[in-house]
Amino acid sequence: DQQVKQNSPSLSVQEGRISILNCDYTNSMFDYFLWYKKYPAEGPTFLISISSIKDKNEDGRFTVFLNKSAKHLSLHIVPSQPGDSAVYFCAASADAGNMLTFGGGTRLMVKP
Amino acid sequence: SQTIHQWPATLVQPVGSPLSLECTVEGTSNPNLYWYRQAAGRGLQLLFYSVGIGQISSEVPQNLSASRPQDRQFILSSKKLLLSDSGFYLCAWLKTRDTQYFGPGTRLTVL
Repeated sequence: DQQVKQNSPSLSVQEGRISILNCDYTNSMFDYFLWYKKYPAEGPTFLISISSIKDKNEDGRFTVFLNKSAKHLSLHIVPSQPGDSAVYFCAASADAGNMLTFGGGTRLMVKP
Repeated sequence: SQTIHQWPATLVQPVGSPLSLECTVEGTSNPNLYWYRQAAGRGLQLLFYSVGIGQISSEVPQNLSASRPQDRQFILSSKKLLLSDSGFYLCAWLKTRDTQYFGPGTRLTVL
């Protein structure tokens, strides 16, 4: 049973517009959420995280929103740039810490 | 600053051959270390993690094994590779609570 799901395998966005990547989870014990960006043949790069005590965290062009009641989080990228084209993974951690459960990833393509 | 290394970067091996992938971390001591695999078009699957020397936990039963002979060294091994072992292998370390940082990865192709 997948505890973290990214239901959109791919997303195409025009340069300069907003990219919204979604992630759903089922385990109510998850209390920390992360987004990673991955280019082909490279390791994932940590982007941004959010604790369950918050509903929003912002870092430059990247904002993560958390809706605990819906067990849903999203990553907003504004404005989108061609260099943002990559696979994005969401991940979640429970109170025990240090173990991450990853979603299946969403491939973002930003068109110039 | 801390860095994580993996080698080799790419590897092509015949079915039935042994495997040894190495991961080392610099700039920290006694880190939690992780091995993941990303199969083609799939997400990240946790294979093993280690909280210290000689301590290995396996998440997925398979023909792979892991060892941690030194504090900052994590090795992924197999005695006989299968075709299904092909994938992108990633090592990660736990920098802060819940936040893992990944190495550059090893692309393994089993023919």
